[in-house]
Amino acid sequence: KNEVEQSPQNLTAQEGEFITINCSYSVGISALHWLQQHPGGGIVSLFMLSSGKKKHGRLIATINIQEKHSSLHITASHPRDSAVYICAVRESGGSNYKLTFGKGTLLTVNP
Amino acid sequence: ETGVTQSPTHLIKTRGQQVTLRCSSQSGHNTVSWYQQALGQGPQFIFQYYREEENGRGNFPPRFSGLQFPNYSSELNVNALELDDSALYLCASSLGLAARGTQYFGPGTRLTVL
Repeated sequence: KNEVEQSPQNLTAQEGEFITINCSYSVGISALHWLQQHPGGGIVSLFMLSSGKKKHGRLIATINIQEKHSSLHITASHPRDSAVYICAVRESGGSNYKLTFGKGTLLTVNP
Repeated sequence: ETGVTQSPTHLIKTRGQQVTLRCSSQSGHNTVSWYQQALGQGPQFIFQYYREEENGRGNFPPRFSGLQFPNYSSELNVNALELDDSALYLCASSLGLAARGTQYFGPGTRLTVL
């Protein structure tokens, strides 16, 4: 079983829809990252969270440490939001030098 | 401020060959992490270098090795290439050990092993 599980694996939406991508993890963490990867490979860091909620433009990320769960929300989705969204965790303790990634959620937003 | 760069962009090798991939860190960053991303999967941690020393390693065999130079640029070397080594190789730089801050990713090198 993966230490980081994302759902759904694939998501298709119409422009303007509200999007939610979920991430669950099984280890103790010091931080959780949400990343965006466009075709061709480039990865951009969207958020780093250790508690609560963060907002940047139309993107909102929340984390519940007790439930080991995080969500990424996109409001008023747009075709340019189409990408793979990846959740990654930095474990607490001795393995805190590395990120462990989920498999990603492929989001397609149609006009 | 210069971002993270990687070279080459694409590479085709045959089984048994050796390959060297290169990464230049973002200006001021002293930590570099390398990741392997197979098609349809999330990145997998290979190893991390901090101030020219390996600081941690993932579940990869010894034929995956690396270097970090005094200017904090880095190389990933893979010997005795296997077909399963075909993947996108990403490096990411950050400031400080254990990198509580953001990692900045390069565009990746796509390696194909035939």
